[in-house]
Amino acid sequence: QVQLVQSGAEVRKPGASVKVSCKASGYTFSTYHIHWVRQAPGQGLEWMGIINPSGDSTTYAQKFRGRVSMTTDTSTTTVYMELSSLRSDDTAVYFCARAGLYNVADYWGQGTLVTAST
Amino acid sequence: DIQLTQSPSFLSASVGDRVEITCRASQDISSSLAWYQQKPGKAPKLLIYAASILQSGVPSRFSGSGSRTDFTLTISSLQPEDFATYYCQHLNSFPLTFGGGTKVEIK
Repeated sequence: QVQLVQSGAEVRKPGASVKVSCKASGYTFSTYHIHWVRQAPGQGLEWMGIINPSGDSTTYAQKFRGRVSMTTDTSTTTVYMELSSLRSDDTAVYFCARAGLYNVADYWGQGTLVTAST
Repeated sequence: DIQLTQSPSFLSASVGDRVEITCRASQDISSSLAWYQQKPGKAPKLLIYAASILQSGVPSRFSGSGSRTDFTLTISSLQPEDFATYYCQHLNSFPLTFGGGTKVEIK
């Protein structure tokens, strides 16, 4: 069965960086792109960007360009999202999701809470 | 960027009620719309894509309709497990924005 398993919760100080991983299994990794979506406490969903499985094509939401980097490791079928220059309003749960037919997010990871706080 | 406006943002309903949630796009997105359900502390779950195609395993009481700028998610007979927050998302062009969400609570 398709599974996306994310790394555990992280706490960082403002200005630092965080790297979240998303390990994919149960499907052919090379066939599907991966989305990253975040959700601040009590707020809605925010699309951050998408990466192809080989990692050589990314599209980021304008809001995150210059601060976000998405990469893949095909040998371990793992996708990474690194966010730099963290601010307190980056505190959120970060989700990875497989981009299925029509790019729809058909399978989701469990989410990773990132807290940016002094 | 394409904006999605969901209404209502909050809905109180009873078990067995028919519920409709609307999503309006700021420009023509054809049928490039998905609906998700999210329960507290959980990841979203895909319900419908391409505006009206039911994702495998999703109960048939859920349906989607609409095209271009106006879309509707309908729950024909609300069940206890349907109390959750619902989001639309367009898939027409990057960025793939979400609507603000509709929280469905028990009356």
